[in-house]
Amino acid sequence: DAGVIQSPRHEVTEMGQEVTLRCKPISGHNSLFWYRQTMMRGLELLIYFNNNVPIDDSGMPEDRFSAKMPNASFSTLKIQPSEPRDSAVYFCASSKTGIDNQPQHFGDGTRLSIL
Amino acid sequence: AQKITQTQPGMFVQEKEAVTLDCTYDTSDPSYGLFWYKQPSSGEMIFLIYQGSYDQQNATEGRYSLNFQKARKSANLVISASQLGDSAMYFCAMREEGGSEKLVFGKGTKLTVNP
Repeated sequence: DAGVIQSPRHEVTEMGQEVTLRCKPISGHNSLFWYRQTMMRGLELLIYFNNNVPIDDSGMPEDRFSAKMPNASFSTLKIQPSEPRDSAVYFCASSKTGIDNQPQHFGDGTRLSIL
Repeated sequence: AQKITQTQPGMFVQEKEAVTLDCTYDTSDPSYGLFWYKQPSSGEMIFLIYQGSYDQQNATEGRYSLNFQKARKSANLVISASQLGDSAMYFCAMREEGGSEKLVFGKGTKLTVNP
């Protein structure tokens, strides 16, 4: 079975540019999560969706960040305009809700560097 | 207040020996789940093991077992017969079942297995 697929794996861009990260969850999973990982703050949940609906976006840093899930098989995380402090590894994860022992399955992450 | 505490930034173990990675948690929710993930240097997040708050027995999964002490609010990961490939960051995480689907992660422990 295919796991969570994220693209791109690496992104280097200059500050002020728009960045779009993409995620395809595991088929049949109905929850999708976006995380950010930095040395200083560890792994932080940015936003999560259930059945394509945003449920909790309290971790989204500011208005420069936005996330969408137009259908069950695709989500994007957009940063506009990007800043050097946004440099981090961004993970997408998916899971089946309603079953206690179901873990979140993570993609390989996008390593983002803003110059 | 920190919900998940991993007090060991780094741990060392000799190959073939057992090692315990500590995790304590804080919640007032009677129903919750505890997860351990492994993050090798390649960066992916790999699910290892799950323990539910109502599970009567400690979870086991191959060489991984969870020493769950509910009264102490601890969920330590035990890795038996360590292998060189076990060298990685290990993260403890909690999901409060009464609330959202989101996981809260600890800061992690870096395990190094020496030959």
